[in-house]
Amino acid sequence: DVKVTQSSRYLVKRTGEKVFLECVQDMDHENMFWYRQDPGLGLRLIYFSYDVKMKEKGDIPEGYSVSREKKERFSLILESASTNQTSMYLCASSLGGSGGAYEQYFGPGTRLTVT
Amino acid sequence: DQQVKQNSPSLSVQEGRISILNCDYTNSMFDYFLWYKKYPAEGPTFLISISSIKDKNEDGRFTVFLNKSAKHLSLHIVPSQPGDSAVYFCAATKGAQKLVFGQGTRLTINP
Repeated sequence: DVKVTQSSRYLVKRTGEKVFLECVQDMDHENMFWYRQDPGLGLRLIYFSYDVKMKEKGDIPEGYSVSREKKERFSLILESASTNQTSMYLCASSLGGSGGAYEQYFGPGTRLTVT
Repeated sequence: DQQVKQNSPSLSVQEGRISILNCDYTNSMFDYFLWYKKYPAEGPTFLISISSIKDKNEDGRFTVFLNKSAKHLSLHIVPSQPGDSAVYFCAATKGAQKLVFGQGTRLTINP
């Protein structure tokens, strides 16, 4: 079974703090993704990565950055947390490659509250 | 612009009956579609998918139908069970590994 783990289930941070969210997958997947989920808006892609040290902006990258130094680990960084970044953050991975395999496997999520 | 839309935020169905969840898309280049199920405080789990070269895919109680001319897909669950109560997301991709998700539909199965 694919296992995607996220460093925290719940996190409370203050406005202006730098926040690190960590994600690790154990299935040697090429692709990794960070989403946020908000009521009525579904899952929105923040950043994704097709390979180590490679990153691409998703639909809502403003206020976020990412790091992928190792294949299994993808970190999301909130440079200066703001209250509008209060959300559920979901990490996912997928096999990648030219053969399709578009299914993404998700971690349990981190509920971040910025006060 | 919302390329994948789930216009029903919620749906309530009697246990044992059929649940039909709908999804519309605008981008005709999408070539693969997926459904995910999400329980509270958990990540979404993959349910079923369909390629644009097919119009139906079945897996146990779950069937996905694709109508390309209408740019519409639906997920049928029959018979519905209490454990099916969750939020369901449809997603689409155009071969680029990146998925575009709908807003989700909350399905409640009543005993």
